[in-house]
Amino acid sequence: DIQMTQSPSILSASVGDRVTITCRASQSITNWLAWYQQKPGKAPKLLIYKASNLQTGVPSRFSGSGSGTEFTLTIYSLQPDDFATYYCQQSHTSRTFGQGTRVEIK
Amino acid sequence: QVQLQQSGPGLVEPSRTLSLTCAISGDSVSSNRATWSWVRQSPLRGLEWLGRTYYTSKWNNDYAESVKSRIIIIPDTSKNQFSLQLNFVSPEDTAIYYCVRVIDGAFDYWGQGTLVTVSS
Repeated sequence: DIQMTQSPSILSASVGDRVTITCRASQSITNWLAWYQQKPGKAPKLLIYKASNLQTGVPSRFSGSGSGTEFTLTIYSLQPDDFATYYCQQSHTSRTFGQGTRVEIK
Repeated sequence: QVQLQQSGPGLVEPSRTLSLTCAISGDSVSSNRATWSWVRQSPLRGLEWLGRTYYTSKWNNDYAESVKSRIIIIPDTSKNQFSLQLNFVSPEDTAIYYCVRVIDGAFDYWGQGTLVTVSS
């Protein structure tokens, strides 16, 4: 199985900050990488697909980049609604998720 | 607008079969561009993809290695839905189960989630 490792596990930030979350794959997944946001008691919400494509309706302050084994999710100017847990997920071989990054209020 | 509505029991006895159904509106289980998956989430295992069904001139299924010997995902074209059966469950199968539509490898529409507890 392809392992997905996110860092950091917890990120403390303030409204207006730029935050970056990293996801590393145990082998190359080309660009088969998606990012999700999850809030307590809710299903995950798709933000980015194929590494850098913004899902319809997702604010443009969310951006994804990377290919191969290293990927990043950047949130430009963090908003109050963005405090949540973020997951990466690969679909190159089977499907696996990262362990999550919780973005909390500093 | 695609909607996925899950149904099924929230409590299953150990060694029995977990059965959940996902009714689709706004798309078709026979779609040639979407696949239909089950994912579960627990504090112990995080988010875990279990398997999928999809149609490409015939029905296909893929399952995660971790549950491959115990899982069946069944499409039902007459009701436009798909179902999960997980056999011989144990307390480690306690989790929130989600049905999901997948396009281009991304999980874009999710069901509301069903908390399934395995306990006697």
